[in-house]
Amino acid sequence: AQTVTQSQPEMSVQEAETVTLSCTYDTSENNYYLFWYKQPPSRQMILVIRQEAYKQQNATENRFSVNFQKAAKSFSLKISDSQLGDTAMYFCAFLTSGNQFYFGTGTSLTVIP
Amino acid sequence: EAGVAQSPRYKIIEKRQSVAFWCNPISGHATLYWYQQILGQGPKLLIQFQNNGVVDDSQLPKDRFSAERLKGVDSTLKIQPAKLEDSAVYLCASSLTRANTEAFFGQGTRLTVV
Repeated sequence: AQTVTQSQPEMSVQEAETVTLSCTYDTSENNYYLFWYKQPPSRQMILVIRQEAYKQQNATENRFSVNFQKAAKSFSLKISDSQLGDTAMYFCAFLTSGNQFYFGTGTSLTVIP
Repeated sequence: EAGVAQSPRYKIIEKRQSVAFWCNPISGHATLYWYQQILGQGPKLLIQFQNNGVVDDSQLPKDRFSAERLKGVDSTLKIQPAKLEDSAVYLCASSLTRANTEAFFGQGTRLTVV
């Protein structure tokens, strides 16, 4: 069975600073995909960044980057130059080869002006 | 490109009543998911469709929940009878058939059972 663990229920960061959200997962699969989704108060889940497990290079999308450690089954999200609009719930998600998504419990991020 | 549409956005019902939620996925997306998200928790998969066939419904409380996806497009999730613990946001998502694509989510339906 696949599990996704986010050990930080809440985090805060000063505007323009950098913050890292952690995620670990457990799986017996070798080929899979990992995602970070953002859920603002409007409730709509928005994809932030994705990582293919077979790629060693860490994914980057503008101010968002990941630190993917396959052997450690760790997938953390780094947000640089934090902006007020980054305030939201962040969910780490795992996609199996059978197209099944598993989500962590989320981290509530607050960007402080 | 239109996103995933869900309705209604909010619903309040009394316990033991029935309720239905509707989802229209992105055109061409063969995979459709229904998730239950209880306040403060991550989404939990209820059921996954591939076209009009069920791929995974292992976490669907089948004594009270049912879902269908007629013609492999729109989907309806029903609860009958509702319990207080069913209060949650119900999210619909869709993705392409390939196993490496992201899921696109609707805005969800917030259900309150009183």
